[in-house]
Amino acid sequence: QQPVQSPQAVILREGEDAVINCSSSKALYSVHWYRQKHGEAPVFLMILLKGGEQKGHEKISASFNEKKQQSSLYLTASQLSYSGTYFCGTGVTSGTYKYIFGTGTRLKVLA
Amino acid sequence: DGGITQSPKYLFRKEGQNVTLSCEQNLNHDAMYWYRQDPGQGLRLIYYSQIVNDFQKGDIAEGYSVSREKKESFPLTVTSAQKNPTAFYLCASSISASAADTQYFGPGTRLTVL
Repeated sequence: QQPVQSPQAVILREGEDAVINCSSSKALYSVHWYRQKHGEAPVFLMILLKGGEQKGHEKISASFNEKKQQSSLYLTASQLSYSGTYFCGTGVTSGTYKYIFGTGTRLKVLA
Repeated sequence: DGGITQSPKYLFRKEGQNVTLSCEQNLNHDAMYWYRQDPGQGLRLIYYSQIVNDFQKGDIAEGYSVSREKKESFPLTVTSAQKNPTAFYLCASSISASAADTQYFGPGTRLTVL
């Protein structure tokens, strides 16, 4: 049931780009993206609500394809501060509502 | 300042003891959640509450209990029945329990069983 993220981990040099994918076996109506630094709480990055929607936040953007039940997070010209674990999250209804997070992607940016 | 507070930040417990983790929010959010995170792992839902005096079990509720007597507060009790309680516990809240509502997290409580 948990959305699967890929890759599981990625190492980048400063200035390089990365793509993180989130795939669900269930229908997605919205997707949230969060970043968690080591030992800290997850911090909300952005929400995508409509099929095919793209949003941007500084040099981080995301897309959402309802038909494919997928969302992707794009990090361009990565900075050291982008290091952390990225999670997608979504609400699911199977009897009762609950919110679930993806498997997570660990991203490390090196100088 | 609006936000979510959790206390304490670090908690040590002896085996066999119950312990209660505090979570308070002043965002006027209806929904609140408790998650457990083990090292290098994702977040797993323990309990959630959509409204005062109501709560639902998540994926790993065994050995935990909660109450929601006030909108602002959602304490989590880790009982002695929880076999492996050492973990990072995160509380979150959202405007409502809707798929479109963003969850905002507190700073977390790191529980260690000695």
